[in-house]
Amino acid sequence: KQEVTQIPAALSVPEGENLVLNCSFTDSAIYNLQWFRQDPGKGLTSLLLIQSSQREQTSGRLNASLDKSSGRSTLYIAASQPGDSATYLCAVRYSTSYDKVIFGPGTSLSVIP
Amino acid sequence: DTAVSQTPKYLVTQMGNDKSIKCEQNLGHDTMYWYKQDSKKFLKIMFSYNNKELIINETVPNRFSPKSPDKAHLNLHINSLELGDSAVYFCASSKRGLYTGELFFGEGSRLTVL
Repeated sequence: KQEVTQIPAALSVPEGENLVLNCSFTDSAIYNLQWFRQDPGKGLTSLLLIQSSQREQTSGRLNASLDKSSGRSTLYIAASQPGDSATYLCAVRYSTSYDKVIFGPGTSLSVIP
Repeated sequence: DTAVSQTPKYLVTQMGNDKSIKCEQNLGHDTMYWYKQDSKKFLKIMFSYNNKELIINETVPNRFSPKSPDKAHLNLHINSLELGDSAVYFCASSKRGLYTGELFFGEGSRLTVL
C-alpha cells in the first residue's frame, strides 16, 4: 500500500534553533515529492518541490532532501523564527498512481520566542 | 491575481440539504483535484480530473458529484448532506508533463453541516 508518514507529529523548539522534519514513503518509485506549509484555518502554501531525479532543493532558510532508496525526505529549517510556526505537510506523487498525490499527516511546529 | 480560487469560503447548512462548491484556476493547468481535510487535519484525495475527464474517484459516496465544464473549472456538488461531511474541501491543480506535477491549492471551503 502506498503511504506517507511524518515524524514527529508535533515539535516545539526555541527561536533560533535549526530543525529537521521527516517524511517517509513506502515505495521508492516516486515522480516527485512536495513540502507544504499550512497555517491554522488557511490553505496550503507550497514550499519546495523535489523531482525524482533530484537530491535536494533549497529556498532561503529551507532545504529539502530526497533519498528514494531509503524512502525518506527531510525538511531542514535553519535559524527558526516564530513565524515558522505552522503545520508542515509532505506530499508524494507515486509513479504508478500519478494522479493520486498522497499526503502525510503533517508535523505541527511551534517556535517559541 | 489568485491562481486557484474557490467559492464559497464558508458554508453552513442543515443535514439533508444540497450544496455546491466552485473552483477555478488561471494557471493553464490540465489537471484539477478535490481534497477533503477532516477534523484531524488529514488531507485525503477525493477526485482528480485531467482535461475534463475523471481520472481518480477515491471511493467517495455517490452523493458527491464533481463536474468539470472545462479544464479551468472543477465544481463539487454534494447531495443530502450528512454530519460527517463537515470538513474543509480544497481544490488544487497541476500541470502534466516532464518535471512538472507541482500542486497548487485554493484557500479551501469550510463546510459545516448542522
